[in-house]
Amino acid sequence: EDQVTQSPEALRLQEGESSSLNCSYTVSGLRGLFWYRQDPGKGPEFLFTLYSAGEEKEKERLKATLTKKESFLHITAPKPEDSATYLCAVQGPGNQFYFGTGTSLTVIP
Amino acid sequence: NAGVTQTPKFQVLKTGQSMTLQCAQDMNHNSMYWYRQDPGMGLRLIYYSASEGTTDKGEVPNGYNVSRLNKREFSLRLESAAPSQTSVYFCASSAGTHQETQYFGPGTRLLVL
Repeated sequence: EDQVTQSPEALRLQEGESSSLNCSYTVSGLRGLFWYRQDPGKGPEFLFTLYSAGEEKEKERLKATLTKKESFLHITAPKPEDSATYLCAVQGPGNQFYFGTGTSLTVIP
Repeated sequence: NAGVTQTPKFQVLKTGQSMTLQCAQDMNHNSMYWYRQDPGMGLRLIYYSASEGTTDKGEVPNGYNVSRLNKREFSLRLESAAPSQTSVYFCASSAGTHQETQYFGPGTRLLVL
């Protein structure tokens, strides 16, 4: 069964305390892996797309990496404005997309 | 550019009532999608349209119908609403030319009593 699992479910960090979020998947025929940020009451906001194992993308304090079975979203020296839910999605064959349930990140000043 | 817009933002229905959720995008994207988001379940794909004139079922299509009115607009219809359809509904679009990054609308919050 195609599945996307994110861990941890929730993460509390002190401002400046770096950490990583995990997204593992069992979707066959991966066509792309996507990271989104979602603020309360809003739609997901696109962050990164990764297509092949070994690929890395960076944006400000965020860095996404991809292996054959999982992806990591590394957050370096986070700030309170980085608090949000981070969603991982995987595209399988065709236009089928599978989302994880997200990691809720809280950064404490 | 407005990106992806959805109407209404919030709706309350009684069981058995019908309604249509509207979605439009101004990015000239080929593909459009409808998702529902429930606590602890993540986003689940209801229907998608790879291009104008085509629609396909996603993971949870039962109880819904869709119409790809033109390249810009993709509507989701609930013919006879049920309490199990209480959810937040998101529309998304992507270029659809081997670039499937999806851009989401702000969502419609639906409560079925």
